[in-house]
Amino acid sequence: DTGVSQNPRHKITKRGQNVTFRCDPISEHNRLYWYRQTLGQGPEFLTYFQNEAQLEKSRLLSDRFSAERPKGSFSTLEIQRTEQGDSAMYLCASSLTGETHEQYFGPGTRLTVT
Amino acid sequence: AQSVTQLDSQVPVFEEAPVELRCNYSSSVSVYLFWYVQYPNQGLQLLLKYLSGSTLVKGINGFEAEFNKSQTSFHLRKPSVHISDTAEYFCAVNNFNKFYFGSGTKLNVKP
Repeated sequence: DTGVSQNPRHKITKRGQNVTFRCDPISEHNRLYWYRQTLGQGPEFLTYFQNEAQLEKSRLLSDRFSAERPKGSFSTLEIQRTEQGDSAMYLCASSLTGETHEQYFGPGTRLTVT
Repeated sequence: AQSVTQLDSQVPVFEEAPVELRCNYSSSVSVYLFWYVQYPNQGLQLLLKYLSGSTLVKGINGFEAEFNKSQTSFHLRKPSVHISDTAEYFCAVNNFNKFYFGSGTKLNVKP
């Protein structure tokens, strides 16, 4: 399968623990995005990378959140000292720069903080 | 900032009936418009997109949407729905490489 993959698919953690999610984009895509989707809502933009550079971060992304894309390929999203309000689906998407502006989404990682 | 409004959170419809899912957006600049579908426990799949040109856009699975600039709308339609169309549908605006999504419309197709 050459689509966007995310691991793990599900993560249950206790409040205060750190968690890390991984996203592998479509191989030739140079842009990578992270979104958060809570129940009953559409995805909300968190941050995006062009190659290894993090170009924009939403104000939704508190200091406890950090994202990296060290070699311009896969990306990780880490949440430190998790809170119950962090429970959500975290979606990754990738795209090519160009005219289509289309983003391809992965299946998401569902985080539950107990 | 952009905003996308999907007024209908749920739309029940019988199989083979037509359906329209409404989407309005706010923007003072040109935007690119998209409809995505999300099946349970899956990521978002692109249905169709409007970038420029003809205001009537055809997508996968028999869906189409019409861009109306004066009404800032991008409603999604299908003339005859199937049970397999049961899913959640999201309208989105792409402005400066960021997607802004509506809150979604759950389409429930009943036999």
